[in-house]
Amino acid sequence: DAMVIQNPRYQVTQFGKPVTLSCSQTLNHNVMYWYQQKSSQAPKLLFHYYDKDFNNEADTPDNFQSRRPNTSFCFLDIRSPGLGDAAMYLCATSRDLGESETQYFGPGTRLLVL
Amino acid sequence: AQSVTQLGSHVSVSEGALVLLRCNYSSSVPPYLFWYVQYPNQGLQLLLKYTSAATLVKGINGFEAEFKKSETSFHLTKPSAHMSDAAEYFCAVTPGTASKLTFGTGTRLQVTL
Repeated sequence: DAMVIQNPRYQVTQFGKPVTLSCSQTLNHNVMYWYQQKSSQAPKLLFHYYDKDFNNEADTPDNFQSRRPNTSFCFLDIRSPGLGDAAMYLCATSRDLGESETQYFGPGTRLLVL
Repeated sequence: AQSVTQLGSHVSVSEGALVLLRCNYSSSVPPYLFWYVQYPNQGLQLLLKYTSAATLVKGINGFEAEFKKSETSFHLTKPSAHMSDAAEYFCAVTPGTASKLTFGTGTRLQVTL
């Protein structure tokens, strides 16, 4: 089945130690998104790629970076995780950017910062 | 900016009872509206979406939603709740572009015996 895959499902890191979360998709979608979701809150968009074009949200901290080496894969790098970065990180894709397009979400990676 | 408001952060129903989760949108033109469900420690799964083709939209797992322009509402319903419906439900709108998918604050549905 075509899908959005996130690995690992759970990630533990230490305060200040760089961590990378990965996302892959078999939908061949043009757009890939990264969201941060804290407990009992709605997902918050960090950035998205349209093909190789990177789009950062204005309030996304510089500590968060992303790479998209090809259509299928997208990575979220947290350069120096703080305790406040502990959250669920969701990857999503959409075929295109039209307002009728549906975003398809992966299962998420829960990040714990010690 | 377009937004959605979900009334009730927590809703509790008995198994077999009607489920009604409320969502109102703010838009001067009919928007594209979505309902997503999130089970514990999972990603978001699309339940249904409104694209102006029909005002009554049927989704997965027996859920449906009716777009009412006069009330600027897109409430989610299910005739008979099941224990497996317990989850967080998000209403969302895309104001002009899919990249700006805007979520409501979510409603946690509890189903009791």
